[in-house]
Amino acid sequence: KAGVTQTPRYLIKTRGQQVTLSCSPISGHRSVSWYQQTPGQGLQFLFEYFSETQRNKGNFPGRFSGRQFSNSRSEMNVSTLELGDSALYLCASSLADRGQNIQYFGAGTRLSVL
Amino acid sequence: DQQVKQNSPSLSVQEGRISILNCDYTNSMFDYFLWYKKYPAEGPTFLISISSIKDKNEDGRFTVFLNKSAKHLSLHIVPSQPGDSAVYFCAATGTALIFGKGTTLSVSS
Repeated sequence: KAGVTQTPRYLIKTRGQQVTLSCSPISGHRSVSWYQQTPGQGLQFLFEYFSETQRNKGNFPGRFSGRQFSNSRSEMNVSTLELGDSALYLCASSLADRGQNIQYFGAGTRLSVL
Repeated sequence: DQQVKQNSPSLSVQEGRISILNCDYTNSMFDYFLWYKKYPAEGPTFLISISSIKDKNEDGRFTVFLNKSAKHLSLHIVPSQPGDSAVYFCAATGTALIFGKGTTLSVSS
């Protein structure tokens, strides 16, 4: 079974631009979550999608948005990029609806904002 | 306001000895706890989990202990191996999966 796939692996953008990151979950997984990892901050939750609906949202500005398609693939968009948006963006998928929420992560997209 | 805290940023252990990684949480409504391991340039990998109705879960060299009254959990690795060197994240399930900031474990041979 293929794991979680994130594309692209690396991105370089400049301030003010926008970026779209893509995530393909494990087959059969309907929940997709996005996280931002920066040095010293651990993994900060961005949002979760389940069956094409945003089910949960972290404490990030509205410049960060996402969506999920009918095949469970998800995209994350960041508009008007700032230097502080440079981070590793991780996508995770899970099978369970609630409760035992074992999430399986992709390798991430490393975004550098210059 | 951190709901899941890993107060030790790093831990160094010799090969063959026990590694103990600690995690504290503040929300008594968390019902499931997980540990993840992360190598550089890779995503976190699920390691072991424990339900809030249990106080111990074991999987090979890895054991997680949960002390609900103290809101504390720990991950024991016995014996530690150089390949265990990685960043370990503690996480708890509420409405979302909340992660600690991680502890970097270094196992020397």
